[in-house]
Amino acid sequence: EDQVTQSPEALRLQEGESSSLNCSYTVSGLRGLFWYRQDPGKGPEFLFTLYSAGEEKEKERLKATLTKKESFLHITAPKPEDSATYLCAVGDSNYQLIWGAGTKLIIKP
Amino acid sequence: EAGVVQSPRYKIIEKKQPVAFWCNPISGHNTLYWYRQNLGQGPELLIRYENEEAVDDSQLPKDRFSAERLKGVDSTLKIQPAELGDSAVYLCASSPDRGQGYTFGSGTRLTVV
Repeated sequence: EDQVTQSPEALRLQEGESSSLNCSYTVSGLRGLFWYRQDPGKGPEFLFTLYSAGEEKEKERLKATLTKKESFLHITAPKPEDSATYLCAVGDSNYQLIWGAGTKLIIKP
Repeated sequence: EAGVVQSPRYKIIEKKQPVAFWCNPISGHNTLYWYRQNLGQGPELLIRYENEEAVDDSQLPKDRFSAERLKGVDSTLKIQPAELGDSAVYLCASSPDRGQGYTFGSGTRLTVV
């Protein structure tokens, strides 16, 4: 069964304290792994798509990596404005997205 | 460029009443999605359109939910009658084609009382 699991459910960091969020997946026929950011009361905002193991993408303080079983979202020297819920999703062979439940990230000043 | 526009932003209705949500996708995006998101969970796909054709509606509770995308542009999602368990955020998203990153609207927060 296709499945996406994100960990931890919540993460509290001090401003400047780097860390990583994990997205583990099982899917038949991966058609991309997607990272989104969601602020309260808003729809998810697209961050990255990764298509093959070994691929990496960066945007400001965020860096996403992909292996055959999981993806990491690394946050370097985070700021309070990075606080949000980060969602991971994988595309299956039918191009349907299977979503994780998200990691709620809180950055304290 | 205008993003995905949804209305209304909030809706409170009594159970058994009907409700409708509207979505205007990004111009030129052929693929449109309706999702439902409960608190603390990821989005759950309700229906996917390729142009005006519903290509994946397996998760849509068809006894009370209906959707349409006339002319392959705007879309509406309707619930009739609404139940307490329908309270959630209803999100619309669009993409240029399947398999590409989606752009989401801000969603409609539905509360059924």
